[in-house]
Amino acid sequence: KQEVTQIPAALSVPEGENLVLNCSFTDSAIYNLQWFRQDPGKGLTSLLLIQSSQREQTSGRLNASLDKSSGRSTLYIAASQPGDSATYLCAVGNTDKLIFGTGTRLQVFP
Amino acid sequence: SQTIHQWPATLVQPVGSPLSLECTVEGTSNPNLYWYRQAAGRGLQLLFYSVGIGQISSEVPQNLSASRPQDRQFILSSKKLLLSDSGFYLCAWSVMVEQYFGPGTRLTVT
Repeated sequence: KQEVTQIPAALSVPEGENLVLNCSFTDSAIYNLQWFRQDPGKGLTSLLLIQSSQREQTSGRLNASLDKSSGRSTLYIAASQPGDSATYLCAVGNTDKLIFGTGTRLQVFP
Repeated sequence: SQTIHQWPATLVQPVGSPLSLECTVEGTSNPNLYWYRQAAGRGLQLLFYSVGIGQISSEVPQNLSASRPQDRQFILSSKKLLLSDSGFYLCAWSVMVEQYFGPGTRLTVT
C-alpha cells in the first residue's frame, strides 16, 4: 500500500529565504506526482505536476524534482514571500487516483 | 476555461439528518470526478471517484454514498449523518492527469 510522508510538518522562515519541502513515498511504481497549495479553509491549488518520466518541473519561483528510484520529491521555493504562507501537499498518482501526504504548513514572516 | 463549483460552502447538521452535497464542473466533457474528505489534523482521504455517468467507485466503507446523474455533476449523500462525518469535503476533476479542486464544503455534525 502506497504511503506518502511529508517532512517537516511545519516550517517558519523569514522572508527571502530559499527553502525545500520534502515528500517521500513507499512504492516507486507511480504515474505522476503533483504538488498543491492549500490556504486555510480553502480548496487545493495545483502548483506543479511531474510525470513519472520527468525529473523536474519549474513554475516561476517553484521547482519540483522527482527521484522515483529513491521514492522522493522535493519542492524548492526561491526567495520566499509572506504570500507563500500556506500548507503544501504532495500527492502521488496511481492510474486515476491520488494519494496525499499530510502536508507541510509553511509560514513566511516579514 | 474550466470551473468547478461546490455548494453549500458551509453546513451544520444534527446527527441522524440526511446530507446532500453537490459538485458541478463547467468547460470540460467526460471528466473523472472525485470526492475527498479532509478531517482536522489529517490528510485528504479519497472517498469516491467516477469515470463516467453512473460509474462510482468507493474507496472506504462508510455511511456515505455518491452519484453521478449527469456528466459534469457529482453528488455526495448520506441518509443519516454521524459525528465522525464532520470535515472539509472537496470535489475534484481531471481529464488527462492533473487534478483540479473545488472550494470545498465545511460540514459540522452536531
